[in-house]
Amino acid sequence: GDSVTQMEGPVTLSEEAFLTINCTYTATGYPSLFWYVQYPGEGLQLLLKATKADDKGSNKGFEATYRKETTSFHLEKGSVQVSDSAVYFCALKKAAGNKLTFGGGTRVLVKP
Amino acid sequence: SQTIHQWPATLVQPVGSPLSLECTVEGTSNPNLYWYRQAAGRGLQLLFYSVGIGQISSEVPQNLSASRPQDRQFILSSKKLLLSDSGFYLCAWSSTFNEQFFGPGTRLTVL
Repeated sequence: GDSVTQMEGPVTLSEEAFLTINCTYTATGYPSLFWYVQYPGEGLQLLLKATKADDKGSNKGFEATYRKETTSFHLEKGSVQVSDSAVYFCALKKAAGNKLTFGGGTRVLVKP
Repeated sequence: SQTIHQWPATLVQPVGSPLSLECTVEGTSNPNLYWYRQAAGRGLQLLFYSVGIGQISSEVPQNLSASRPQDRQFILSSKKLLLSDSGFYLCAWSSTFNEQFFGPGTRLTVL
């Protein structure tokens, strides 16, 4: 079946450091890929998405590129802030389905 | 614009008591609706989803049930809560081929 694998956290960084969260997936066909962010005590917010190979999603300084050849969708940000401390979830959705398949989430802690 | 509401925001219930959590969506018609549970420090577990009124698909057999009495209303219930039902419950909606949008969540503590 479909699956999404994320690096386990927590990831602890200093402010202004470079952030990478790895995400790889297993699925047939060409799924859409998403990154969601969950701030403490809140629901999930869509951060960015990509719907086909080589698409780059970007939002709030975060970027991720849909790499079909490596089945990956790594999340990156060049300079993190304390306010980026959150849990980040990678997810995929098959075109013909109604459900998202989520990774286990990666907790990021940014220290001043 | 579309908005999604959940209530209550927090709930503390004794073991064996009933449960009813409500989710409503505004600004869209015939959405797909989803209930997830997130245990402390864990990922998301899809519990139920619905593609229309009265249509419920259960993903994991458990102590919970779901109902969709109206197009934009999704209810999560239990007749008798267990300690293991504690967690953060998230409702989400989507249109047929798009991403899901999540509500603010309900934190349930079963004592």
